[in-house]
Amino acid sequence: QKEVEQNSGPLSVPEGAIASLNCTYSDRGSQSFFWYRQYSGKSPELIMSIYSNGDKEDGRFTAQLNKASQYVSLLIRDSQPSDSATYLCAVNSNSGYALNFGKGTSLLVTP
Amino acid sequence: NAGVTQTPKFRILKIGQSMTLQCTQDMNHNYMYWYRQDPGMGLKLIYYSVGAGITDKGEVPNGYNVSRSTTEDFPLRLELAAPSQTSVYFCASTALAHEQYFGPGTRLTVT
Repeated sequence: QKEVEQNSGPLSVPEGAIASLNCTYSDRGSQSFFWYRQYSGKSPELIMSIYSNGDKEDGRFTAQLNKASQYVSLLIRDSQPSDSATYLCAVNSNSGYALNFGKGTSLLVTP
Repeated sequence: NAGVTQTPKFRILKIGQSMTLQCTQDMNHNYMYWYRQDPGMGLKLIYYSVGAGITDKGEVPNGYNVSRSTTEDFPLRLELAAPSQTSVYFCASTALAHEQYFGPGTRLTVT
């Protein structure tokens, strides 16, 4: 079973700060990486995808990928209380058709 | 577009009963997936389908069955419900086999 590991948190940051969420994966053959946000009682919502080494920015979100270190991260700049949620890291499986999900990191942004 | 819809939203089953969770998508996506999510855990893949008439097992298929007779619909059947099947069930779909979009979920309790 290919593993996707995340710190469960909670990660607490003050409003306006940068939140840094980390994820490691075990399958060196993985090619596609995703971050989902899940509010309590709701379904996961795709917020970022990244396929090549380096950084990818979208608004306040930046995804970072380092395939050599098997590490993907999500930075949230100017964090807002509305960013408080669980963030799930997902990596494509060796079947190519499915994703392996981490257990998620709970983020709390305090006013 | 309604996206991915699931019914019912909530259901309570007695041990040994059967039921079908419905999932429909209107985005003409070939790939569809069923996940379950237990508290504090990540998403576990139950079954997936790469097109009408084609299904395959995921990580936790025991106790479940699926069918895919049309592109739009991917129902999940629970036979002989057990307490271990108490969970939140999410259906997802994608055109690209990676960027998955989730339905709102079905919260199932087996007592």
